[in-house]
Amino acid sequence: SYELTQPPSVSVSPGQTARITCSADALPKQYAYWYQQKPGQAPVLVIYKDSERPSGIPERFSGSSSGTTVTLTISGVQAEDEADYYCQTADSSGTYVVFGGGTKLTVL
Amino acid sequence: QVQLQESGPGLVKPSQTLSLTCTVSGGSISSGSYYWSWIRQPAGKGLEWIGRIYTSGSTNYNPSLKSRVTISADTSKNQFSLKLSSVTAADTAVYYCARVYSSGSYIHWFDPWGQGNLVTVSS
Repeated sequence: SYELTQPPSVSVSPGQTARITCSADALPKQYAYWYQQKPGQAPVLVIYKDSERPSGIPERFSGSSSGTTVTLTISGVQAEDEADYYCQTADSSGTYVVFGGGTKLTVL
Repeated sequence: QVQLQESGPGLVKPSQTLSLTCTVSGGSISSGSYYWSWIRQPAGKGLEWIGRIYTSGSTNYNPSLKSRVTISADTSKNQFSLKLSSVTAADTAVYYCARVYSSGSYIHWFDPWGQGNLVTVSS
């Protein structure tokens, strides 16, 4: 089965840059998507198709892709960015969904 | 804008069937190239995709749950539903419904999500 691997946790100080990686275990890599989930809330889409940002999402959120790894970058991290972040993709047929295990971003 | 709201019992006994409904407002589940999906999240754990439905009736399920899952849609009520049979404590989770952006039948991303419905499996 297709798997996505994320680091369990990332910590940064306010104003610094946070980078959260998501590695696929096989090629070809499909598009990846990123969700932010704050405690007690539903996930919110912050990046789609590797690097596109939905309307309403701050410009400090960006995404990139290289090989089988995608990266969510949060520039100038703010306290409100503290949350769990999940990457998601589909298998090569586009039929089945895969989520990464999630990364807890802590703002020190 | 489209909004989704889950509803259903918060407590289900072991071996029984979990049933949830997602009501969509602000748009029709029959319009556009959208699928509609269920995702769950046990407390303190990650997200698990359950399955999806297109209003034509076409469905796909997570292979790990396929034998116990049925997703259906009622276009007249603008709702879609989840049934999960033979539940155990391992099925205790927050269950979310979400709209799926797709290219044809190819799954892309989920947006928006419902607020979630906690279901506890316990006698």
